[in-house]
Amino acid sequence: GENVEQHPSTLSVQEGDSAVIKCTYSDSASNYFPWYKQELGKGPQLIIDIRSNVGEKKDQRIAVTLNKTAKHFSLHITETQPEDSAVYFCAATANTPLVFGKGTRLSVIA
Amino acid sequence: DAMVIQNPRYQVTQFGKPVTLSCSQTLNHNVMYWYQQKSSQAPKLLFHYYDKDFNNEADTPDNFQSRRPNTSFCFLDIRSPGLGDAAMYLCATSRDKGRWPQHFGDGTRLSIL
Repeated sequence: GENVEQHPSTLSVQEGDSAVIKCTYSDSASNYFPWYKQELGKGPQLIIDIRSNVGEKKDQRIAVTLNKTAKHFSLHITETQPEDSAVYFCAATANTPLVFGKGTRLSVIA
Repeated sequence: DAMVIQNPRYQVTQFGKPVTLSCSQTLNHNVMYWYQQKSSQAPKLLFHYYDKDFNNEADTPDNFQSRRPNTSFCFLDIRSPGLGDAAMYLCATSRDKGRWPQHFGDGTRLSIL
């Protein structure tokens, strides 16, 4: 089955800097890669996703890149703000329920 | 407006006393999921319904059961909660299986006394 590795587990950045979170997956059949943001006491919120027929997707300050050959995908957050502080989860699926990474706790220091 | 609604947000029960958590959705999605999330961990899938078809994960304890009486509602029943079942329980929905976004509720935090 699918296995998703996520790094780093914690990340601290200064406000205004960029943050990058990386994930690798094992199943070459995986074709959908969402990213979720989870704030304290809330459920995960989908922030961006990418499908396997696309290499990059952007939404304002957030971008995701996908390298199918290397089987890895990354989340990029530019101009970070204190409200970006949360736990971020990547996930992957090949027409099965999502397999999540273990999460990255992002702290944006004002 | 919330599209996946979980009630209650906080639930306290006694060791061994059955408890039911509820989830409703306004999205008319085919698939509903139940996850367990413990502190500082990723959500762990317990089971999901594809329409009326129930799909149990292999490692979900028998103590956990689910009901989906109609498209909008899904329930998680814990027959005899143990201390290890204290966790956040998350409900999610998606339009279909596979490469469709999952939409999560804000969860029910379950405490066991």
